Amino acid sequence: TQLLEQSPQFLSIQEGENLTVYCNSSSVFSSLQWYRQEPGEGPVLLVTVVTGGEVKKLKRLTFQFGDARKDSSLHITAAQPGDTGLYLCAGISEKTTDSWGKLQFGAGTQVVVTP
Amino acid sequence: NAGVTQTPKFQVLKTGQSMTLQCAQDMNHEYMSWYRQDPGMGLRLIHYSVGAGITDQGEVPNGYNVSRSTTEDFPLRLLSAAPSQTSVYFCASSRGSLGANVLTFGAGSRLTVL
Repeated sequence: TQLLEQSPQFLSIQEGENLTVYCNSSSVFSSLQWYRQEPGEGPVLLVTVVTGGEVKKLKRLTFQFGDARKDSSLHITAAQPGDTGLYLCAGISEKTTDSWGKLQFGAGTQVVVTP
Repeated sequence: NAGVTQTPKFQVLKTGQSMTLQCAQDMNHEYMSWYRQDPGMGLRLIHYSVGAGITDQGEVPNGYNVSRSTTEDFPLRLLSAAPSQTSVYFCASSRGSLGANVLTFGAGSRLTVL
């Protein structure tokens, strides 16, 4: 059972459309990260959110951390083919006691943007 | 800027064979870790290290060994490969502690066990 549930699993849209990817949990996280992974490569960090209700923007990408720090969303405005990739959320549980937090990863959302 | 380097990129093994996946980082990161990525399962932590000489188990450690003799290197050993170990393996490193654990990943090693 995944601690972090991502939805949808797969999303195919046309260039110029908007999309939202969700990351949900029943657990509280002290911080949450979003990564993007392209074929044949490792995940690359997009953003870290640490405060409940926090909203961060990275060009056309908007990230939101839920008020209760149990969920997060990634919204892409006017998607481009370069946005194609596997989007992974990862969080450090508030219950983690060691000083080196171990990230828990969701299964990912595969996004395909066609021209 | 090499970052995290993994070798080999592809490997095919027969059941029972042993091998080592290599991982090296040149960022002087204290924290290094190994993950495996399987379809629909996300990334699962195998082993991690918080510094030279210190290693610990992650979520799925069975069948894998690690050691950390230097800050730069963190090899993952499969002593007797099984088909269930067919996966893509990622090494990642970080300089941070809780709350700032930003991982830098290698490009991955795809392992097939027949």
